[in-house]
Amino acid sequence: KNEVEQSPQNLTAQEGEFITINCSYSVGISALHWLQQHPGGGIVSLFMLSSGKKKHGRLIATINIQEKHSSLHITASHPRDSAVYICAVMRSGSRLTFGEGTQLTVNP
Amino acid sequence: DVKVTQSSRYLVKRTGEKVFLECVQDMDHENMFWYRQDPGLGLRLIYFSYDVKMKEKGDIPEGYSVSREKKERFSLILESASTNQTSMYLCASSPPYRDGYTFGSGTRLTVV
Repeated sequence: KNEVEQSPQNLTAQEGEFITINCSYSVGISALHWLQQHPGGGIVSLFMLSSGKKKHGRLIATINIQEKHSSLHITASHPRDSAVYICAVMRSGSRLTFGEGTQLTVNP
Repeated sequence: DVKVTQSSRYLVKRTGEKVFLECVQDMDHENMFWYRQDPGLGLRLIYFSYDVKMKEKGDIPEGYSVSREKKERFSLILESASTNQTSMYLCASSPPYRDGYTFGSGTRLTVV
């Protein structure tokens, strides 16, 4: 079993829909990252969380340390949100362990 | 704008060649990392470094080595490239214990 599990693996939505991507992990962590990867490969860090909730524009990330679970929400989704979203947990020394990613496609 | 720069976007090398992948960051970060990304396996840590001349093995170090002679530069070396090292390679840097994890744009290496 992977230490970081994401669901769903693939997600197709219509423009304007509310989207949720889930991440569960089984190890102790110091923080959790949500990353975005567009076609072509470049990765951008969206959030780093160690507790509670963070919001940036239409993106919201939450984490429940006791339940070892995090969610990434996208409100009013747009085709430009189409990308792979990756959950990564930070363990000792800033090392990241990654989920396999969620491929999001938002259709106009 | 802060950056992690990888020297090549696409690279094609022959089996047995010695390959150097270069990564430079301009944020004065202590930590630097090399990952590879493969379909179905996600991103995996090859090597990392917490300081100049310091290196530690990640989860899949076999067939690779690294060099960090200066704080801003972290090089990944494939001593004798093999076809199973065909992959997307991503460099990253971060400050210790704070937000600021930054990835390079990746090098897609093909070994033929």
